[in-house]
Amino acid sequence: RKEVEQDPGPFNVPEGATVAFNCTYSNSASQSFFWYRQDCRKEPKLLMSVYSSGNEDGRFTAQLNRASQYISLLIRDSKLSDSATYLCVVNIHQAGTALIFGKGTTLSVSS
Amino acid sequence: ETGVTQTPRHLVMGMTNKKSLKCEQHLGHNAMYWYKQSAKKPLELMFVYNFKEQTENNSVPSRFSPECPNSSHLFLHLHTLQPEDSALYLCASSQDTTQVYEAFFGQGTRLTVV
Repeated sequence: RKEVEQDPGPFNVPEGATVAFNCTYSNSASQSFFWYRQDCRKEPKLLMSVYSSGNEDGRFTAQLNRASQYISLLIRDSKLSDSATYLCVVNIHQAGTALIFGKGTTLSVSS
Repeated sequence: ETGVTQTPRHLVMGMTNKKSLKCEQHLGHNAMYWYKQSAKKPLELMFVYNFKEQTENNSVPSRFSPECPNSSHLFLHLHTLQPEDSALYLCASSQDTTQVYEAFFGQGTRLTVV
């Protein structure tokens, strides 16, 4: 079983749509969770951390369900500029380890 | 602009060549990483350095050889690569490896092996 699994998409949505991405992780020792964004031919950049209580940043809402080992990202009122690949990332916080990335979910927002 | 700088941005090399990728971070971080990103695959962690010490070698073939002379610089030495090694190689840094809340990436080196 892959460590971090995501539906690769692509998700093709019109401007203004609401879209949700899901992610599951296999290691129950995972302690930190993130969504990164990667634009075409660019490096990944942190979009937001994911907290147990759920957190919101403008049009973006992230949720974590530890029991189900499941993370989600909701984007409301999609903009053209939201078109990118969204990477689900976990960290088990052991010395010498690093962030574990999912394959990413591709979003394309059209006018 | 970016706190993590990688050179070169693009590299084409033959299978018998030797080349090196360079990464430099200006963020005062103590951990640096090499990741490989191939088409339709997740980012694969290759090497981890924490306080200049290699703490992880993720079963990477010996034709890839990392070097970390100090906490700000990281190299990836390449020799006798195969065409399947063509990929985007990304360097990243974080404060250290035990509390990785955010990793900052360089723009990557797009490597083509011919």
